[in-house]
Amino acid sequence: EAGVAQSPRYKIIEKRQSVAFWCNPISGHATLYWYQQILGQGPKLLIQFQNNGVVDDSQLPKDRFSAERLKGVDSTLKIQPAKLEDSAVYLCASISGGREQYFGPGTRLTVT
Amino acid sequence: TQLLEQSPQFLSIQEGENLTVYCNSSSVFSSLQWYRQEPGEGPVLLVTVVTGGEVKKLKRLTFQFGDARKDSSLHITAAQPGDTGLYLCAGVSNFNKFYFGSGTKLNVKP
Repeated sequence: EAGVAQSPRYKIIEKRQSVAFWCNPISGHATLYWYQQILGQGPKLLIQFQNNGVVDDSQLPKDRFSAERLKGVDSTLKIQPAKLEDSAVYLCASISGGREQYFGPGTRLTVT
Repeated sequence: TQLLEQSPQFLSIQEGENLTVYCNSSSVFSSLQWYRQEPGEGPVLLVTVVTGGEVKKLKRLTFQFGDARKDSSLHITAAQPGDTGLYLCAGVSNFNKFYFGSGTKLNVKP
């Protein structure tokens, strides 16, 4: 069974630029999560999807972050415009019906 | 502000030593999970504990869920260099929402 795929693995941008991350969850997993993990901290939930609907986006900075999961499969997370404090690893995870989350390798974003 | 506090934040020990990592919260969770994360990778689930007072063993790792389902501990016996990594606890609430702790960075020296 293929795992959660994310791309790109690394991205360096200047502040005020835009960036997009892509996630392909495990086939058949209905719930998809995006997390932000700042160096030295635990992951912080940004948004949770159930199929193509948003379950929780209360911690998503909506003035600059957006996410979508068209057709309930792949998902994209966008930041526009980026700030220095957005430098972090962005993790995507998915679950089927149980409580076991499967994480992708993450995208390391550096904003200069 | 992290909903779950882990201690210690950093731990550097010699191979063969024992250690305990703690995860504390003021909130009650339906279950609690422990993950291990290595550099450049996503966290990998080690265990899920569900019942208050539950103890689970995974080879040299022992996990305990507090009676009130607010706290947990991870004990490693005879640590090995391969145990090095970032250990994360996560409380699971209704609707499969996960709250991660601040993490404990473990380094086991040969």
